[in-house]
Amino acid sequence: TQLLEQSPQFLSIQEGENLTVYCNSSSVFSSLQWYRQEPGEGPVLLVTVVTGGEVKKLKRLTFQFGDARKDSSLHITAAQPGDTGLYLCAGAFYAGNNRKLIWGLGTSLAVNP
Amino acid sequence: ETGVTQSPTHLIKTRGQQVTLRCSSQSGHNTVSWYQQALGQGPQFIFQYYREEENGRGNFPPRFSGLQFPNYSSELNVNALELDDSALYLCASRAGTSGTDTQYFGPGTRLTVL
Repeated sequence: TQLLEQSPQFLSIQEGENLTVYCNSSSVFSSLQWYRQEPGEGPVLLVTVVTGGEVKKLKRLTFQFGDARKDSSLHITAAQPGDTGLYLCAGAFYAGNNRKLIWGLGTSLAVNP
Repeated sequence: ETGVTQSPTHLIKTRGQQVTLRCSSQSGHNTVSWYQQALGQGPQFIFQYYREEENGRGNFPPRFSGLQFPNYSSELNVNALELDDSALYLCASRAGTSGTDTQYFGPGTRLTVL
């Protein structure tokens, strides 16, 4: 059974602080995606990482894929209240010819002004 | 705006009833996936349709069924509703079945079972 553990589950910080969210598995993924979801809306894709060791930056967000493609991290620099939301990671793998996606439980981030 | 729409937005049903949820894919997308998301948790994969055929299913009982139409819109049907079926139901569409294809989510249907 493929499992994707995400931590921390909840995070409440002050504006301007830095934070890191982790996504870990014992399984290897062909790719890993990070999403952000706001209340009442569906998840919105932030980034897809494919290559082991890959680092991608999206403004103040830095995403890293582990060398073995089993884990990933999301680092936010100088967090702002607009970053508040549920951050989800999802790992993709193939079972036969079928592509499957498994999800972490999410990290609920609150950035207080 | 992702171009993926879902209806209805909210729905209240009672135990034992049946429900149909609808999803219109983004233009040009032939793959639709349905997810169940309980409050405070990540989405759980229900099933995926590619060109009108189911080509992947998660750990959901047969009373969860679906359809995809020639225009690639999709339905999720749930029979014999149970209290635990209360959740946000999300559909996501994408252009193919590749592992790196971006999928776009609709806003979801909030189902409450009383």
